[in-house]
Amino acid sequence: EVQLVESGGGVVKPGRSLRLSCTASGFAFGDYAMSWFRQAPGKGLEWVSFIRSKAYGGTTKYAASVKGRFTISRDDSKSIAYLQMNSLKTEDTAVYYCSTVTTTFQNWGQGTLVTVSS
Amino acid sequence: QSALTQPASVSGSPGQSITISCTGTSSDVGDSNYVSWLQHHPGKAPKVVIFDVSDRPSGVSDRFSGSKSGNTASLTISGLQAEDEADYYCTSYTYSSASWVFGGGTKLTVL
Repeated sequence: EVQLVESGGGVVKPGRSLRLSCTASGFAFGDYAMSWFRQAPGKGLEWVSFIRSKAYGGTTKYAASVKGRFTISRDDSKSIAYLQMNSLKTEDTAVYYCSTVTTTFQNWGQGTLVTVSS
Repeated sequence: QSALTQPASVSGSPGQSITISCTGTSSDVGDSNYVSWLQHHPGKAPKVVIFDVSDRPSGVSDRFSGSKSGNTASLTISGLQAEDEADYYCTSYTYSSASWVFGGGTKLTVL
């Protein structure tokens, strides 16, 4: 059974950093692109970033709202995708989800809550 | 502002059919075989209900169907049920930038 579990969320002050993890099981993690999404309170789902598999160069893409502050990476030996979030802003407060990527966003985790507040 | 345009809300009564549109450009929806629709119940993990324009994942009701005409994709839900009340998002792969674009979401209310 495919399973994605996000972790690393919490309460952090503006300007600080946080690293989220997406731990995968039940499939060949290294063969898949991975993506991060978020949903801020009262707002819609927003795509944040994605990373291709190593076979496709491991290239990355970011939403304009996080480019230069967030970094996506992967450790295929541990089946984990990461989202390093730096210079956090209050508007980054959201539930963050990870998903697998094929021709669609196939499998999803339950999300982890990030609260940026002073 | 989202790259793909969806209506903010649609509604229908149980048993009725509704259609949600998703309008893009010739560089994304119009040029892509990889248009998907995500269903999101707040507080739960999102779920794909349609992928590759009109394919349905196993386990998704055949009441859900997808289509595309020109730069507009559509999601139709027939025989509306209370459990269909959710937010729906369209997404399309765009070859020019080798990335994905998204709609802003449509809130479906089952009256």
